[in-house]
Parts: sequence; C-alpha cells; structure tokens
Amino acid sequence: KQEVTQIPAALSVPEGENLVLNCSFTDSAIYNLQWFRQDPGKGLTSLLLIQSSQREQTSGRLNASLDKSSGRSTLYIAASQPGDSATYLCAVRGDDKIIFGKGTRLHILP
Amino acid sequence: EAGVAQSPRYKIIEKRQSVAFWCNPISGHATLYWYQQILGQGPKLLIQFQNNGVVDDSQLPKDRFSAERLKGVDSTLKIQPAKLEDSAVYLCASSGLGDRGGYEQYFGPGTRLTVT
Repeated sequence: KQEVTQIPAALSVPEGENLVLNCSFTDSAIYNLQWFRQDPGKGLTSLLLIQSSQREQTSGRLNASLDKSSGRSTLYIAASQPGDSATYLCAVRGDDKIIFGKGTRLHILP
Repeated sequence: EAGVAQSPRYKIIEKRQSVAFWCNPISGHATLYWYQQILGQGPKLLIQFQNNGVVDDSQLPKDRFSAERLKGVDSTLKIQPAKLEDSAVYLCASSGLGDRGGYEQYFGPGTRLTVT
C-alpha cells in the first residue's frame, strides 16, 4: 500500500532564502507526482506535475525533482517571498490510485 | 478557461441529516474526482469517475455516501445520514490530457461541511 510522507510538517524561513520541501513515497511504481499549494480556506492550486519518466520540472522560481528509485521528490523554492506562505502538498498517482501527503505548512517571515 | 465550480461553499447540518454537494468540472475534462479533506490532513480520494463510469470508489463509505455523474459532466456527492466525523472540506477536481502531460488535476474551492 502506497504511503506518502512530507517532512517537516511546518517550516518557517526568512524572506529571500532558498528552501527545499520533501516528499517521500513507499512504492516506486508511480505514473506521476504532482505538487500543489493550498491557501487557508481555499482549494488546491497545481504547481508542477512530473511524469514518471521525467527527473524534474521547472516553473518560475519553483523546481521539482523526482527520484523514483529512492522514492523521493523535492520542491525547491528560490528567493522565497511572503506570498509563498501556504501549505504545500504532494500527490502520487499509481494504478489509478492517488495518494496525498499531509503537507508542509510554510511560513515566510518578512 | 473557467475553473472547477462547486456549491455550496459552506454547509452546517445536524447529525443524521442529509446533504448534497455539486461540482461542475472544467469543460472537456473526462475525469472527475471527489476528495474529503479533514483538518490537518491531506485530501483522501472518495470516488473517481471517467466520463459517467466509476473508476475507483474503494474509499467511499457506501453505507452513507453516494455519488453520481449523469451525462458525464456535472456530479453530485450525497451524505445520508451525516455523522459528526463527516465534518471536513469536500473537494472536487477534474483532469484531462493537458500540455504538460496527462492527468494534471485542477481543484475547485471546496465545500466546508460542519456536522453538529
């Protein structure tokens, strides 16, 4: 059974710093992995989707990597801004089953 | 392009009452998902439709939850009767083949349900 873990559960960093969020999964037989952000009281906003054949995807200040063999994905945020404060979730898709992690709550300190 | 629409945004009911949520996916998206998100947790998939057929409903509590997607477009999720532990945000998402590859999910704003 697939399990998805995100550590740490919460993170506070000063504005301007680069940071890395982690997502690990137990079953490497996945189709893709998707990163989302969720603002309080809102739905999820898609950030990046990495197919199983890809190693990384980039969008603006965001870069997501995927290492299936080790069961890990990272989301790199460059030059963090207060507007990046949100909860970041990863979701793994395999055999038509989609499993989410519990998320990392990120707070960027002005 | 319009996003995923959901209604209502908030609902408060008493236990043992029934409630229904509505979702309209992005136009042309064949796949529709309903998730339950309890405070502090990641979303849990309840049911996935491909057009109007069910792909996965293994985590749907079928004794009290039901969902349908008539004509392969809009969908409704119903809870009857509701329990206190059903208090959560119910999220609808849809997906179709996109520019960045298949199965990218787009979420609606969710419906926050409080059962008292």
